[in-house]
Amino acid sequence: GAVVSQHPSWVICKSGTSVKIECRSLDFQATTMFWYRQFPKQSLMLMATSNEGSKATYEQGVEKDKFLINHASLTLSTLTVTSAHPEDSSFYICSARDSLAGETGELFFGEGSRLTVL
Amino acid sequence: GQNIDQPTEMTATEGAIVQINCTYQTSGFNGLFWYQQHAGEAPTFLSYNVLDGLEEKGRFSSFLSRSKGYSYLLLKELQMKDSASYLCAVMDSNYQLIWGAGTKLIIKP
Repeated sequence: GAVVSQHPSWVICKSGTSVKIECRSLDFQATTMFWYRQFPKQSLMLMATSNEGSKATYEQGVEKDKFLINHASLTLSTLTVTSAHPEDSSFYICSARDSLAGETGELFFGEGSRLTVL
Repeated sequence: GQNIDQPTEMTATEGAIVQINCTYQTSGFNGLFWYQQHAGEAPTFLSYNVLDGLEEKGRFSSFLSRSKGYSYLLLKELQMKDSASYLCAVMDSNYQLIWGAGTKLIIKP
């Protein structure tokens, strides 16, 4: 099946610093990618929809100035957590759908990135 | 509002069969997905139902009743590696995925 690679898998940073997480579709093109946050024992929470070549669409309650999303190419989206605080510690997951598969095509997930802010 | 309900946790025995239910209320319907998620890992796709009925895929089957807003995931011949969370997600009329909180399945020997 299709592969989505997410990097880094683990990151520990100091409070106030910024962290960038990359999400790549390795063998397909993705016009749209999705960023989720997942707290322990909770479901995936959609943070934003990343659109290639245009601004991301953020869900209600998600600060776009804090969670910067860049989707510069059809295979790469990045999420930057700016001025990270301990409450930003979470499991961040990206997903992507093959642009040729249509709206109901299978979502492929990255491996996830566990962020710990000290 | 939009809502997906599934049990928080279930326990089953190795070799047995377990059914995980999911009920939903969404604005429109463009299909229901089941994903498996092992602790600390990303979800992996199990099944997609858009028409009523049962879809069988090896040891896993998924059923959908659109009129009842109901689906279940059936796992047969349970193996220890099936211990995971199972997420139900519904695609609404805007093609947005609405996620359930997941059902943690514990398999005992």
